[in-house]
Amino acid sequence: ETGVTQSPTHLIKTRGQQVTLRCSSQSGHNTVSWYQQALGQGPQFIFQYYREEENGRGNFPPRFSGLQFPNYSSELNVNALELDDSALYLCASSSVGEYEQYFGPGTRLTVT
Amino acid sequence: QKEVEQDPGPLSVPEGAIVSLNCTYSNSAFQYFMWYRQYSRKGPELLMYTYSSGNKEDGRFTAQVDKSSKYISLFIRDSQPSDSATYLCAMKLSGSQGNLIFGKGTKLSVKP
Repeated sequence: ETGVTQSPTHLIKTRGQQVTLRCSSQSGHNTVSWYQQALGQGPQFIFQYYREEENGRGNFPPRFSGLQFPNYSSELNVNALELDDSALYLCASSSVGEYEQYFGPGTRLTVT
Repeated sequence: QKEVEQDPGPLSVPEGAIVSLNCTYSNSAFQYFMWYRQYSRKGPELLMYTYSSGNKEDGRFTAQVDKSSKYISLFIRDSQPSDSATYLCAMKLSGSQGNLIFGKGTKLSVKP
């Protein structure tokens, strides 16, 4: 069984730029959720994708957007990066009807 | 008041000690309760999950939920240096797919 994978591992961007983060879900899972974890904080829910559509969104502005592909992999896009966007971005996969979510290793984004 | 409160610690114990980690919550609609372990610079790893009140045991770990008090606990028996990590509690409303609500995490250090 393949776990959740994310790429890249680390990323450094400049304020105002755009970034795309990628996630491959665990085999057998069809739902992907994205979370932002600031230093010293718990993860905060950004949004979830199921059947290639957004299926719930947290308190994040529209410049955070995503995609899910037919193979259940997913992308998180962030436009107009701000310094406060510096965080660990986590992807979690799950199966519909089950509440356990399994996390990938995360992408550490630094905005300068 | 935050939805989920968790003492960030740090908590330092000697090897072999019993560790008690706790979270309180304000939303009585939470139905699912989880504990994740997060090593430094890694993604959270699902340790235990429970539905409704009661105890659940898995090896050295016991999860306890008291819905009447809105209080959940994780006990670690015979703690090991390898248990040194940040422990995050998370909870979810019934019926919602995503949207895990996390505590800030408690940083645990087990000294040999």
